[in-house]
Amino acid sequence: QVQLQESGPGLVKPSQTLSLTCSVSGASISSGGYYWSWIRQHPGRGLEWIGYIYNSGSTYYNPSLKSRITIAVDTSKNQFSLKVNSVTAADTAVYYCARVESGYDRPDYWGQGTLVSVSS
Amino acid sequence: DIQMTQSPSTLSASVGDRVTITCRASQSIDSWLAWYQQKPGTAPKLLIYKASTLESGVPSRFSGSGSGTEFTLSISSLQPDDFATYYCQEYNTYSRTFGQGTKVEIK
Repeated sequence: QVQLQESGPGLVKPSQTLSLTCSVSGASISSGGYYWSWIRQHPGRGLEWIGYIYNSGSTYYNPSLKSRITIAVDTSKNQFSLKVNSVTAADTAVYYCARVESGYDRPDYWGQGTLVSVSS
Repeated sequence: DIQMTQSPSTLSASVGDRVTITCRASQSIDSWLAWYQQKPGTAPKLLIYKASTLESGVPSRFSGSGSGTEFTLSISSLQPDDFATYYCQEYNTYSRTFGQGTKVEIK
């Protein structure tokens, strides 16, 4: 059974960097056929796609966030990560990681989500 | 930027009703559209991809149609487990923009 689990600080100060890790079990990030994604949901609001990464390291970012985000993969730990620079209160959200089947763009497994609040 | 507009924002319905949700894209996305169901405190669940392909394990009362800029999600006979929020999402662009959601409530 494939499982994804987000981890990282639940509270980040404004202007600092938000860092999250998604640990994958039951599947290898090194395997082809999938890409690994981050999505967020602002409290009580809709969903926003942040970006994704292939096992090769190729990344694709939402243009609206591109200047502040970095997604990386660590195949040795079977993890991928998200960094968001210069955070503000607008970055307060539940952050999800997900595995997406490349051929059909099917997000077949999601993490449970982790709430990150930006506050001083 | 591409915009995805869902209607209605809220829908009140009874068990057994046929329900239809519309999603409009501000530019053509061919058939690169997915539908999700989300319940409070949980991750979205994929229902439909490629506009009309039912995800494995999803009940056949769910169906999707459309192409280009206009799409619909239909539930043929609403069940108690279907009261949730539904989102469309385009994946024709790197933004992979979601609609704002449609909350299906008990009438």
